[in-house]
Amino acid sequence: EAGVVQSPRYKIIEKKQPVAFWCNPISGHNTLYWYLQNLGQGPELLIRYENEEAVDDSQLPKDRFSAERLKGVDSTLKIQPAELGDSAVYLCASSSGLAGSSNEQFFGPGTRLTVL
Amino acid sequence: AQSVAQPEDQVNVAEGNPLTVKCTYSVSGNPYLFWYVQYPNRGLQFLLKYITGDNLVKGSYGFEAEFNKSQTSFHLKKPSALVSDSALYFCAVRAPTGGGNKLTFGTGTQLKVEL
Repeated sequence: EAGVVQSPRYKIIEKKQPVAFWCNPISGHNTLYWYLQNLGQGPELLIRYENEEAVDDSQLPKDRFSAERLKGVDSTLKIQPAELGDSAVYLCASSSGLAGSSNEQFFGPGTRLTVL
Repeated sequence: AQSVAQPEDQVNVAEGNPLTVKCTYSVSGNPYLFWYVQYPNRGLQFLLKYITGDNLVKGSYGFEAEFNKSQTSFHLKKPSALVSDSALYFCAVRAPTGGGNKLTFGTGTQLKVEL
C-alpha cells in the first residue's frame, strides 16, 4: 500500500514569491492534515480536513496561507507571498475515521521550504 | 489546553543496553497517547499508541511504552537498543473528545545509540 505522497520534496524560493505544496493521502483516508515543523520542534497543526471540509483551520495564517481539498482526496497548501520565517518543513498526514477516532495519523516525507 | 513535555533533548545509550525516552502530558480527561519516530529527511513513522486497557503497550521494532495515569507519563522503552534506533522521537497526545483529532506533539528527543 502506498503511503502519503508529497511533492515537491524540496523547494527554494525568494521572499515574496508564491509557493504550493501537494499531498496525496493514503487511499480511503478521509481525514487529511497539514503540519508545520520548524527545526528542532514537533509538528504543529495548520489545518485539518474531513473529506473536503476544513474543520479546523484556526492555526492557519489566513493572510498568506490557503489550502484546498476539492474532491476530498488530494490537497494543496499555498503560501502567497512567502516570508523568510516560512522556511520550515511542511508535513501532510492522513488518517481513517473522523473526529473522535483513535486511529493514528500517517505522515508523508514532507516538503522542505527555504525562503531566501 | 493539552500539552506534552519531553524533558530530554538528547538521550545517549550504548548498543545492547536498555533505553528510555521520557514523556509527560497534560490533557482533559483520559488521553490518547502516541509515539512517533523521525529519521533524517523522512516523515514521522508511527510506533505505538495507548487508547485504553493494558498500561503496557507494545509497538513496532521492539519498542514499548508504559502509561502511568498518576504520574501523567508515557515513557518509551526498549530492552536492548540498536544503533539503527538512532533517530528523533516524538510523543503526542490528544483528547478523546473535543478538539477533533488534534494531536499535540512534544519537542522531540534525539536518541543516539553508540557501539
